[in-house]
Amino acid sequence: AQKITQTQPGMFVQEKEAVTLDCTYDTSDQSYGLFWYKQPSSGEMIFLIYQGSYDEQNATEGRYSLNFQKARKSANLVISASQLGDSAMYFCAMREDNQGGKLIFGQGTELSVKP
Amino acid sequence: GAVVSQHPSWVICKSGTSVKIECRSLDFQATTMFWYRQFPKQSLMLMATSNEGSKATYEQGVEKDKFLINHASLTLSTLTVTSAHPEDSSFYICSATTWDHIAIRNLTETQYFGPGTRLLVL
Repeated sequence: AQKITQTQPGMFVQEKEAVTLDCTYDTSDQSYGLFWYKQPSSGEMIFLIYQGSYDEQNATEGRYSLNFQKARKSANLVISASQLGDSAMYFCAMREDNQGGKLIFGQGTELSVKP
Repeated sequence: GAVVSQHPSWVICKSGTSVKIECRSLDFQATTMFWYRQFPKQSLMLMATSNEGSKATYEQGVEKDKFLINHASLTLSTLTVTSAHPEDSSFYICSATTWDHIAIRNLTETQYFGPGTRLLVL
C-alpha cells in the first residue's frame, strides 16, 4: 500500500492565485513528520515546510502553509500568491520516527504557474 | 541551511563499467546519509541508508552487490554502480542528516539533499 499519495499528477494555477496540492498518508505510528519539497527542472530538492505529528498548529513558512488534518491523514500544501518561479515538481514526504530518519516520497505533482 | 555536494554532477559511461558517485556534507557531520534514485517524471525511491562506520541498509529490491555504498567518514559517502547497464541510467541523489540513531520526537531537522548526479549508461 502507498504510504504517501499525491493524486494530482499536474496542476495549473494563475499567477498571484493560491493553489492547494493534495497529500494523504498512511501510517500506524504515532510519531512522524511530514514534509514538502520542491524540485525544479535542475533536479535539486528544496525543502519547503515541515509538520510534526504532534504539532497542533498548521505549519507556515512564508507563502507556504500546510493544512494538516490528522484524523483524515492529509497534509495538503497551500501556496499563496503563486509566482512564475513556483513552477516545479512538488513532493510530499513522510518520516516515521521509528524508521531511522528515512523519507518516503509521494508520486509528486507538477505545478505550472500561468502568467 | 547545511550544504551537501555531489560529484560528479553528470556522467556518461559505457555499459559494463563502474561509476563512483560521491556525496559530501560540507559544513556539518552527517551520521546518516541516504541514497535515492529518480527516473524521469517519477518520484524519489530510497535505495539505501548509510550510517558512518557501518554497513549500509538496502531497501527491498535493491541489489547490494550492484550498488556498493561506503560511508567511511562523517562527511563522505560513496555510491558505486558496478557493471552499469543502460537500465541503470537515472538521477541519483543523496541526502545527509544529523539525525540521531534514536528518533527524537518533534525534531524539525530535515535531510539536506545534494544536487544530484545524472548517470547515462550507453
